[in-house]
Amino acid sequence: DAKTTQPTSMDCAEGRAANLPCNHSTISGNEYVYWYRQIHSQGPQYIIHGLKNNETNEMASLIITEDRKSSTLILPHATLRDTAVYYCIAGSSNTGKLIFGQGTTLQVKP
Amino acid sequence: KAGVTQTPRYLIKTRGQQVTLSCSPISGHRSVSWYQQTPGQGLQFLFEYFSETQRNKGNFPGRFSGRQFSNSRSEMNVSTLELGDSALYLCASSLTQGMGEAFFGQGTRLTVV
Repeated sequence: DAKTTQPTSMDCAEGRAANLPCNHSTISGNEYVYWYRQIHSQGPQYIIHGLKNNETNEMASLIITEDRKSSTLILPHATLRDTAVYYCIAGSSNTGKLIFGQGTTLQVKP
Repeated sequence: KAGVTQTPRYLIKTRGQQVTLSCSPISGHRSVSWYQQTPGQGLQFLFEYFSETQRNKGNFPGRFSGRQFSNSRSEMNVSTLELGDSALYLCASSLTQGMGEAFFGQGTRLTVV
């Protein structure tokens, strides 16, 4: 599984878009990019995933660069409840194995 | 529909004892994975079960084992507990084997004294 690199922490103003970057330069062709978040003392929550194309759902958008070496998770209108640790994971769709890095602690401020 | 249910939520055990944790996946989900979370090591993959078979295993000693039943419920067992086994143990279920949308339970907080 490819290793991912994320900034340790980020701040975002409430109501503004939060853009969380992730580097996965060693990702292989069959590995997806997954994003999860964990709010303190709760289990991780699935956000979104993608392979090559950009993806959007009700929670967020995922932008993957053409060379697939990096991606950005976008929370379009961050709220205080979006304060959490966000994990970017590169993994094969053939296994249920998630390799969590240290993640990015996103602090949404009023 | 009901989410992933883990029992018990909290456990205190003594060194050398063994413990069994339970996970009930979302109805219809056939894949169950287990993770250990500690402040020092973060979230680490333990193993994955699909259709009662272990499909993947993380880098943990043999004291950690698991199983899955025909109704997809899963149990995880840790024998000869060590102080370092104190952690939050999380279970995740998904519809099929593999990644994508995995739903996590609230976890079982195990303290070994």
